[in-house]
Amino acid sequence: DIQMAQSPSSVSASIGDRVTITCRASQGISSWLAWYQQKPGKAPKLLIFHASNLQSGVPSRFSGSGSGTDFTLTISSLQPEDFATYYCQQSNTFPFTFGPGTKVDL
Amino acid sequence: QVQLQESGPGLVKPSQTLSLTCSVSGGSISSGFYFWSWMRQPAGKRLEWIGRIFSSGDTNYNPSLKSRVTISVDTSNNQFSLRLNSVTAADTAVYYCARESVAVAALDSWGQGTLVTVSS
Repeated sequence: DIQMAQSPSSVSASIGDRVTITCRASQGISSWLAWYQQKPGKAPKLLIFHASNLQSGVPSRFSGSGSGTDFTLTISSLQPEDFATYYCQQSNTFPFTFGPGTKVDL
Repeated sequence: QVQLQESGPGLVKPSQTLSLTCSVSGGSISSGFYFWSWMRQPAGKRLEWIGRIFSSGDTNYNPSLKSRVTISVDTSNNQFSLRLNSVTAADTAVYYCARESVAVAALDSWGQGTLVTVSS
């Protein structure tokens, strides 16, 4: 299986901060990477697909970059509704696998 | 806008079979543009991909669960199902159904999730 790692595991930030989360795959996955946001007790929500494409309806303060093994999710100016856990997921190779998550809190 | 809703028992006894159904509304499960997927998430842990099915019935499964899992589709009722045999406490989790867009290779719509506890 392709192992997905994320860093940091948690980040404390303030409103308006720029937040960057990193995801690393144990082998190359081209651009087959998605980012999801999950709030407590809720289902994940797709933010980014194909590493850098913004899902319809997602605010433009979210952006993604990277290819191969190293990827980044950036929130340019943190808003109150952005406090959540963020997961990366690869869809290059079965079984699809998720990262352990990065919790963004105040 | 498509909506997905999981249903099934919230409590299953060890060694028995976990059965869940995902009802899809607002779109046809036969559209051909999507895979229909199951994931699970034990409390405090990362998401685990269980498998997916296309409207034709073609499936892909996580090898770690393949010997115990079956995903099926019922196009007449616009729903798909998960069966997991011989469950143990390790199968206790929130189970999600979701739609994977072929175009974007990502899970773009999710059900709200349902907690299944394995306990006697």
